[in-house]
Amino acid sequence: GAVVSQHPSRVICKSGTSVKIECRSLDFQATTMFWYRQFPKQSLMLMATSNEGSKATYEQGVEKDKFLINHASLTLSTLTVTSAHPEDSSFYICSASQLKQGNEAFFGQGTRLTVV
Amino acid sequence: KQEVTQIPAALSVPEGENLVLNCSFTDSAIYNLQWFRQDPGKGLTSLLLIQSSQREQTSGRLNASLDKSSGRSTLYIAASQPGDSATYLCAVRPSSGQNFVFGPGTRLSVLP
Repeated sequence: GAVVSQHPSRVICKSGTSVKIECRSLDFQATTMFWYRQFPKQSLMLMATSNEGSKATYEQGVEKDKFLINHASLTLSTLTVTSAHPEDSSFYICSASQLKQGNEAFFGQGTRLTVV
Repeated sequence: KQEVTQIPAALSVPEGENLVLNCSFTDSAIYNLQWFRQDPGKGLTSLLLIQSSQREQTSGRLNASLDKSSGRSTLYIAASQPGDSATYLCAVRPSSGQNFVFGPGTRLSVLP
Protein backbone atom coordinates (compact mmCIF):
# COMPACT_ATOMS: atom_id res chain seq x y z
CA GLY A 1 0.00 0.00 0.00
CA ALA A 2 0.88 3.66 -0.15
CA VAL A 3 3.11 5.16 2.51
CA VAL A 4 2.43 8.12 4.75
CA SER A 5 5.38 9.30 6.79
CA GLN A 6 4.92 11.35 9.94
CA HIS A 7 7.73 13.09 11.75
CA PRO A 8 8.75 13.25 14.52
CA SER A 9 7.47 10.09 16.17
CA ARG A 10 8.10 11.50 19.64
CA VAL A 11 8.68 15.00 20.90
CA ILE A 12 9.01 16.55 24.34
CA CYS A 13 8.74 20.30 24.63
CA LYS A 14 8.46 22.94 27.31
CA SER A 15 5.23 24.77 28.03
CA GLY A 16 4.86 27.85 25.91
CA THR A 17 6.91 26.61 22.98
CA SER A 18 5.62 25.54 19.57
CA VAL A 19 5.98 22.17 17.93
CA LYS A 20 5.65 21.32 14.25
CA ILE A 21 4.59 17.87 13.05
CA GLU A 22 5.03 16.88 9.41
CA CYS A 23 2.93 14.47 7.41
CA ARG A 24 4.15 13.36 3.98
CA SER A 25 2.63 11.09 1.39
CA LEU A 26 5.71 9.42 -0.04
CA ASP A 27 4.49 7.78 -3.20
CA PHE A 28 1.22 9.43 -4.07
CA GLN A 29 -0.37 12.85 -4.23
CA ALA A 30 -2.88 13.64 -1.53
CA THR A 31 -5.20 16.55 -2.16
CA THR A 32 -6.72 16.01 1.26
CA MET A 33 -5.08 15.07 4.51
CA PHE A 34 -6.72 14.63 7.89
CA TRP A 35 -5.33 15.31 11.35
CA TYR A 36 -6.51 13.30 14.32
CA ARG A 37 -5.88 13.34 18.02
CA GLN A 38 -6.06 10.24 20.17
CA PHE A 39 -6.32 10.14 23.93
CA PRO A 40 -5.19 7.03 25.84
CA LYS A 41 -7.41 4.03 25.21
CA GLN A 42 -9.78 6.08 23.08
CA SER A 43 -10.47 6.16 19.39
CA LEU A 44 -9.35 8.82 16.96
CA MET A 45 -10.91 12.27 17.09
CA LEU A 46 -10.80 14.31 13.91
CA MET A 47 -9.24 17.72 14.45
CA ALA A 48 -9.20 19.18 10.97
CA THR A 49 -9.29 18.49 7.27
CA SER A 50 -6.39 19.88 5.30
CA ASN A 51 -6.84 20.67 1.62
CA GLU A 52 -3.89 21.52 -0.58
CA GLY A 53 -3.67 25.20 -1.33
CA SER A 54 -6.54 26.31 0.88
CA LYS A 55 -7.36 26.87 4.52
CA ALA A 56 -7.99 23.88 6.72
CA THR A 57 -11.45 23.05 7.96
CA TYR A 58 -11.51 22.61 11.71
CA GLU A 59 -13.89 20.50 13.72
CA GLN A 60 -16.03 22.11 16.36
CA GLY A 61 -14.13 22.76 19.54
CA VAL A 62 -10.69 22.71 17.92
CA GLU A 63 -8.86 26.04 18.22
CA LYS A 64 -7.50 26.98 14.81
CA ASP A 65 -5.13 29.55 16.27
CA LYS A 66 -3.62 26.92 18.50
CA PHE A 67 -3.40 24.11 15.98
CA LEU A 68 -2.07 25.66 12.79
CA ILE A 69 -2.36 23.50 9.70
CA ASN A 70 -0.60 24.13 6.44
CA HIS A 71 -0.96 22.03 3.29
CA ALA A 72 1.46 23.70 0.93
CA SER A 73 1.92 20.85 -1.50
CA LEU A 74 0.23 17.67 -2.63
CA THR A 75 2.60 15.60 -0.53
CA LEU A 76 3.07 17.61 2.65
CA SER A 77 0.85 18.85 5.43
CA THR A 78 2.06 20.26 8.73
CA LEU A 79 0.41 20.67 12.11
CA THR A 80 1.92 23.25 14.46
CA VAL A 81 0.88 23.21 18.09
CA THR A 82 1.45 26.78 19.23
CA SER A 83 2.16 27.85 22.81
CA ALA A 84 1.86 24.26 23.94
CA HIS A 85 0.50 23.39 27.37
CA PRO A 86 0.55 20.10 29.26
CA GLU A 87 -3.07 19.43 28.29
CA ASP A 88 -1.96 19.37 24.65
CA SER A 89 0.03 16.24 25.40
CA SER A 90 -1.46 13.54 23.24
CA PHE A 91 -0.96 11.24 20.27
CA TYR A 92 -1.45 13.01 16.94
CA ILE A 93 -1.98 11.06 13.71
CA CYS A 94 -2.35 12.19 10.14
CA SER A 95 -3.90 10.37 7.22
CA ALA A 96 -4.06 10.81 3.49
CA SER A 97 -6.22 9.21 0.89
CA GLN A 98 -5.25 7.99 -2.49
CA LEU A 99 -8.01 8.71 -4.96
CA LYS A 100 -7.05 5.69 -6.98
CA GLN A 101 -7.69 2.26 -5.50
CA GLY A 102 -11.01 3.22 -4.05
CA ASN A 103 -9.91 6.12 -1.91
CA GLU A 104 -8.22 3.93 0.65
CA ALA A 105 -6.86 5.86 3.62
CA PHE A 106 -3.31 5.48 4.84
CA PHE A 107 -2.07 6.68 8.17
CA GLY A 108 1.18 8.00 9.48
CA GLN A 109 2.85 6.31 12.42
CA GLY A 110 1.72 9.04 14.79
CA THR A 111 3.50 11.58 16.96
CA ARG A 112 3.58 11.32 20.74
CA LEU A 113 3.70 14.87 22.07
CA THR A 114 4.59 15.46 25.71
CA VAL A 115 4.52 19.01 27.04
CA VAL A 116 6.36 19.51 30.31
CA LYS B 1 -24.99 12.00 12.09
CA GLN B 2 -23.09 8.80 11.44
CA GLU B 3 -22.14 6.80 14.52
CA VAL B 4 -19.99 3.71 14.59
CA THR B 5 -19.95 1.13 17.36
CA GLN B 6 -17.84 -1.96 17.84
CA ILE B 7 -18.54 -5.09 19.84
CA PRO B 8 -16.91 -6.46 21.87
CA ALA B 9 -14.82 -3.71 23.42
CA ALA B 10 -12.21 -6.27 24.42
CA LEU B 11 -11.61 -9.90 23.62
CA SER B 12 -9.14 -12.47 24.92
CA VAL B 13 -8.79 -15.82 23.16
CA PRO B 14 -6.33 -18.71 23.12
CA GLU B 15 -4.08 -19.07 20.13
CA GLY B 16 -5.57 -20.91 17.16
CA GLU B 17 -9.16 -19.81 17.64
CA ASN B 18 -11.22 -18.28 14.88
CA LEU B 19 -12.88 -15.06 15.94
CA VAL B 20 -15.28 -12.39 14.75
CA LEU B 21 -15.19 -8.67 15.45
CA ASN B 22 -18.35 -6.67 14.88
CA CYS B 23 -18.88 -3.15 13.63
CA SER B 24 -22.21 -1.32 13.32
CA PHE B 25 -23.00 2.02 11.76
CA THR B 26 -26.19 4.06 11.90
CA ASP B 27 -26.36 5.52 8.39
CA SER B 28 -26.26 3.02 5.54
CA ALA B 29 -25.33 5.71 3.00
CA ILE B 30 -21.59 5.12 3.01
CA TYR B 31 -18.83 5.42 0.45
CA ASN B 32 -16.60 2.73 1.89
CA LEU B 33 -15.59 1.00 5.11
CA GLN B 34 -12.10 0.23 6.25
CA TRP B 35 -10.67 -1.97 8.97
CA PHE B 36 -7.45 -0.95 10.69
CA ARG B 37 -5.10 -2.40 13.20
CA GLN B 38 -3.35 -0.28 15.83
CA ASP B 39 -0.54 -1.51 18.03
CA PRO B 40 0.04 0.34 21.34
CA GLY B 41 1.60 3.74 20.78
CA LYS B 42 1.66 3.28 17.01
CA GLY B 43 -0.22 4.57 14.01
CA LEU B 44 -2.88 2.70 12.07
CA THR B 45 -2.24 -0.10 9.61
CA SER B 46 -4.86 -0.61 6.92
CA LEU B 47 -6.14 -4.18 6.85
CA LEU B 48 -9.07 -4.27 4.45
CA LEU B 49 -11.06 -1.76 2.45
CA ILE B 50 -14.60 -2.54 1.33
CA GLN B 51 -16.35 -0.31 -1.17
CA SER B 52 -20.06 0.30 -0.70
CA SER B 53 -20.85 -1.91 -3.70
CA GLN B 54 -18.86 -4.85 -2.35
CA ARG B 55 -19.91 -7.60 0.04
CA GLU B 56 -16.55 -8.78 1.31
CA GLN B 57 -12.81 -8.59 1.04
CA THR B 58 -10.18 -11.14 1.96
CA SER B 59 -6.50 -10.88 2.77
CA GLY B 60 -4.69 -13.92 4.12
CA ARG B 61 -6.35 -15.00 7.36
CA LEU B 62 -8.61 -11.95 7.39
CA ASN B 63 -12.04 -11.67 5.86
CA ALA B 64 -14.26 -8.61 6.16
CA SER B 65 -17.90 -8.54 5.16
CA LEU B 66 -20.24 -5.64 4.62
CA ASP B 67 -24.03 -5.57 4.87
CA LYS B 68 -24.80 -1.98 4.08
CA SER B 69 -28.57 -2.27 4.41
CA SER B 70 -28.33 -3.47 7.99
CA GLY B 71 -25.40 -1.21 8.83
CA ARG B 72 -23.00 -3.98 9.76
CA SER B 73 -19.53 -5.21 9.02
CA THR B 74 -17.62 -8.11 10.50
CA LEU B 75 -13.93 -8.87 10.55
CA TYR B 76 -13.18 -12.58 10.68
CA ILE B 77 -9.73 -13.68 11.82
CA ALA B 78 -8.88 -17.30 11.20
CA ALA B 79 -6.43 -19.31 13.26
CA SER B 80 -5.52 -16.42 15.54
CA GLN B 81 -1.90 -15.90 16.59
CA PRO B 82 -0.31 -13.94 19.46
CA GLY B 83 0.96 -11.48 16.85
CA ASP B 84 -2.65 -10.59 16.07
CA SER B 85 -2.94 -8.92 19.49
CA ALA B 86 -3.78 -5.27 18.88
CA THR B 87 -6.71 -2.87 18.76
CA TYR B 88 -8.89 -3.25 15.69
CA LEU B 89 -10.70 -0.18 14.44
CA CYS B 90 -13.58 0.00 12.03
CA ALA B 91 -14.08 3.26 10.13
CA VAL B 92 -16.78 4.42 7.76
CA ARG B 93 -16.36 7.08 5.10
CA PRO B 94 -19.69 8.82 4.42
CA SER B 95 -18.71 10.14 1.00
CA SER B 96 -15.67 10.34 -1.27
CA GLY B 97 -14.17 13.54 0.06
CA GLN B 98 -15.06 13.19 3.70
CA ASN B 99 -13.05 11.94 6.63
CA PHE B 100 -13.69 8.67 8.35
CA VAL B 101 -15.95 8.16 11.32
CA PHE B 102 -14.19 5.74 13.62
CA GLY B 103 -15.55 3.17 15.99
CA PRO B 104 -14.10 2.91 19.50
CA GLY B 105 -12.16 -0.23 18.64
CA THR B 106 -11.89 -3.79 19.90
CA ARG B 107 -8.82 -4.68 21.97
CA LEU B 108 -7.79 -8.21 21.06
CA SER B 109 -5.44 -10.37 23.08
CA VAL B 110 -4.41 -13.73 21.69
CA LEU B 111 -2.83 -15.87 24.37
CA PRO B 112 -0.04 -18.32 23.51
